[in-house]
Amino acid sequence: GAGVSQSPSNKVTEKGKDVELRCDPISGHTALYWYRQRLGQGLEFLIYFQGNSAPDKSGLPSDRFSAERTGESVSTLTIQRTQQEDSAVYLCASTDRGNEQFFGPGTRLTVL
Amino acid sequence: GENVEQHPSTLSVQEGDSAVIKCTYSDSASNYFPWYKQELGKGPQLIIDIRSNVGEKKDQRIAVTLNKTAKHFSLHITETQPEDSAVYFCAAIRGSTLGRLYFGRGTQLTVWP
Repeated sequence: GAGVSQSPSNKVTEKGKDVELRCDPISGHTALYWYRQRLGQGLEFLIYFQGNSAPDKSGLPSDRFSAERTGESVSTLTIQRTQQEDSAVYLCASTDRGNEQFFGPGTRLTVL
Repeated sequence: GENVEQHPSTLSVQEGDSAVIKCTYSDSASNYFPWYKQELGKGPQLIIDIRSNVGEKKDQRIAVTLNKTAKHFSLHITETQPEDSAVYFCAAIRGSTLGRLYFGRGTQLTVWP
């Protein structure tokens, strides 16, 4: 079956603009995660959705970042008023009741 | 929260040699330790994992060891091949099986032919 997909694969934007990143998890996966990966760095947790529970937003770096997920389907990560330090690869992962998190290919965001 | 440290940050080996990557964690409640391989331009992919009730696990050329007392775990790759070249990340989860992963900073492994 299909894996986790993300769109767009690349996004170039100007400082101050808003961007929206999309994640399509594996069908039936109840949990969905967003991570940020700066160049040459590890993965930084942003937010986690589990079913209908309130999301764990503890990793969001500022109030310019927000994310939504409807049920157990698509999620969107929105970054408002983008800054150059937001430039990174944004990775989405999903999982079912097991531990393995399946990652998408990521969206490379470049803020000029 | 959990803090995962990973060493070395870069590792170069000759084809056929072994490679070892080490990680330490801080939270004794962590009970699941996966290793991910990330190739250029792709998302991380799970290659092996270990739970806290096991000391060692092996899958062909890859093995992981866990020392709960010392709170460290290691990835061992034997008979390395050029296609093993990638960035490897260790991670830890505490408590819930659906919890967030805490990642190390990664190790760039280069295998020279």
